Amino acid sequence: DTEVTQTPKHLVMGMTNKKSLKCEQHMGHRAMYWYKQKAKKPPELMFVYSYEKLSINESVPSRFSPECPNSSLLNLHLHALQPEDSALYLCASSQYGDATEAFFGQGTRLTVV
Amino acid sequence: QKEVEQDPGPLSVPEGAIVSLNCTYSNSAFQYFMWYRQYSRKGPELLMYTYSSGNKEDGRFTAQVDKSSKYISLFIRDSQPSDSATYLCAMSAYTGNQFYFGTGTSLTVIP
Repeated sequence: DTEVTQTPKHLVMGMTNKKSLKCEQHMGHRAMYWYKQKAKKPPELMFVYSYEKLSINESVPSRFSPECPNSSLLNLHLHALQPEDSALYLCASSQYGDATEAFFGQGTRLTVV
Repeated sequence: QKEVEQDPGPLSVPEGAIVSLNCTYSNSAFQYFMWYRQYSRKGPELLMYTYSSGNKEDGRFTAQVDKSSKYISLFIRDSQPSDSATYLCAMSAYTGNQFYFGTGTSLTVIP
């Protein structure tokens, strides 16, 4: 099983809303990632959790807040987003923190109105 | 200079052709090399994973890594319309948690 599950698949939110994206994997991977992808662009790294500790934060605005409740779950809390934050948000996981092969979820397509 | 360079295409080939996709990189510390296929509005799907130099074959797909030239390739034999997608290369160093992506190559296989 190489599945990374993301919910919801689609999300439309207003600029004053608070919402959360969820990601789950049961492969025993200890590194989990959030990426943002705009149309026709490669994924851009946002956050990395390694052994449930935040190890990389790519200077992402504070309106994005990651959380790793346990080794299988990863959340991304959203608050006061801007229309330019509309994108495909991808979660990925890899076995260890040394960046071996990473598996991606299908993404959450976020639209901010 | 970007860490990873990839020709964005678009690339259009007839069904049954052999497709060659390539990436170059500048960081000699990169040890892990991956190819992803991404259909429109979907997440990237891991196709091939290679450690260090050499070749790896999986069905119609062959990945090659030439570390001396800092060059990686993905070959698709007997290409099918279902192979039409964007192909992303990605790589990482032995330590650290970051993957570095190419910009992706858009491939269309014409029936």
